Amino acid sequence: GQQLNQSPQSMFIQEGEDVSMNCTSSSIFNTWLWYKQEPGEGPVLLIALYKAGELTSNGRLTAQFGITRKDSFLNISASIPSDVGIYFCAGQLLLRHPARQLTFGSGTQLTVLP
Amino acid sequence: GAVVSQHPSRVICKSGTSVKIECRSLDFQATTMFWYRQFPKQSLMLMATSNEGSKATYEQGVEKDKFLINHASLTLSTLTVTSAHPEDSSFYICSASPAPHNEQFFGPGTRLTVL
Repeated sequence: GQQLNQSPQSMFIQEGEDVSMNCTSSSIFNTWLWYKQEPGEGPVLLIALYKAGELTSNGRLTAQFGITRKDSFLNISASIPSDVGIYFCAGQLLLRHPARQLTFGSGTQLTVLP
Repeated sequence: GAVVSQHPSRVICKSGTSVKIECRSLDFQATTMFWYRQFPKQSLMLMATSNEGSKATYEQGVEKDKFLINHASLTLSTLTVTSAHPEDSSFYICSASPAPHNEQFFGPGTRLTVL
């Protein structure tokens, strides 16, 4: 299936540093979602974005829906060890049939060093 | 709220046998559930979209006769891997959307190992 271009593929950062990752697509989306997945578990929804230009925060996480509707970024401020995991972006085009299907990015593996 | 469970969490089977994986939405009704497969260090790949009371819609390249999907109720969808082979070993994850919302909530996944 189709995938979004997500970067970087992996990141090694020191505890306390800020992190930024992004996704781009050749197609527009109605909704952008950001998930975190830990080993052996399913993805957990972090932030959902519904409007172009929307900027949404969830604690130390901030995500934006690009104005062109073809990109999104996720920032994590003041990283802590429990931020370790794989972060996935996902785009959703509601008019697609069947509706509500997600297209996933390739993931960003985040490692936080103490 | 919006909890999705999967059973079993892990299964090991012999080549040629069939394995059934259940996906349940515990606190909401889901007219649509999705099944994904994830290989190590890779992203989630959509296998099929499961609609309650109708046939599943399979993604290109996914064999519908090998991966049987049944969406018997608004809270339960099952995926049966028939005549499993070692190459079917993977992490299978389901998700569900509580209408009218669009977010998908994921189950914890099922690790299938075919010997």
